[in-house]
Amino acid sequence: GIQVEQSPPDLILQEGANSTLRCNFSDSVNNLQWFHQNPWGQLINLFYIPSGTKQNGRLSATTVATERYSLLYISSSQTTDSGVYFCAVEGGGADGLTFGKGTHLIIQP
Amino acid sequence: GAVVSQHPSWVICKSGTSVKIECRSLDFQATTMFWYRQFPKQSLMLMATSNEGSKATYEQGVEKDKFLINHASLTLSTLTVTSAHPEDSSFYICSARDHETPLGEQYFGPGTRLTVT
Repeated sequence: GIQVEQSPPDLILQEGANSTLRCNFSDSVNNLQWFHQNPWGQLINLFYIPSGTKQNGRLSATTVATERYSLLYISSSQTTDSGVYFCAVEGGGADGLTFGKGTHLIIQP
Repeated sequence: GAVVSQHPSWVICKSGTSVKIECRSLDFQATTMFWYRQFPKQSLMLMATSNEGSKATYEQGVEKDKFLINHASLTLSTLTVTSAHPEDSSFYICSARDHETPLGEQYFGPGTRLTVT
């Protein structure tokens, strides 16, 4: 099946800093989503981005499908940005998302 | 829009009993729903794909006789954990895809935390 690797696994930053999270995948995809999992476990949809670039406030994402990677940018980090960020992809002829192991982000005041 | 609910949000049951979890798409119709499982400090793993009106497709290693899935309508899928054991304790999350976008975005429910004692 399709493989998804996220980096870095852990990231600690000061409030106000910018960050870049990376997601590499092993096959062509028809779906790529970024999520933020809150402390209660709820997955918050950040982006649906199988290709191209999108922006939503302080967050933006870029997927380069031909090179099989996606990047999530967080600018001017706030403590409420803390949590686990997952990249998940769907492709290779299969239904259902394959999740990476996530990036655990901690924003310190 | 695109809201998915799950019920219950948490459940505690005794070993050997069965538990049913409901997943509903509230403002769209979902031909396809998915069930995922997440153990503590781990990522989400796909358990099965549920298509309305047909049998679910299970991922390798998931026991179909233990995890019964029913998708009887375009807005409801259920997961029944039969003869639950402590190792089935986990966080179960469903997702749904709008039938108008068959290759599109999945929307996730809030999850159900199952504890088997």
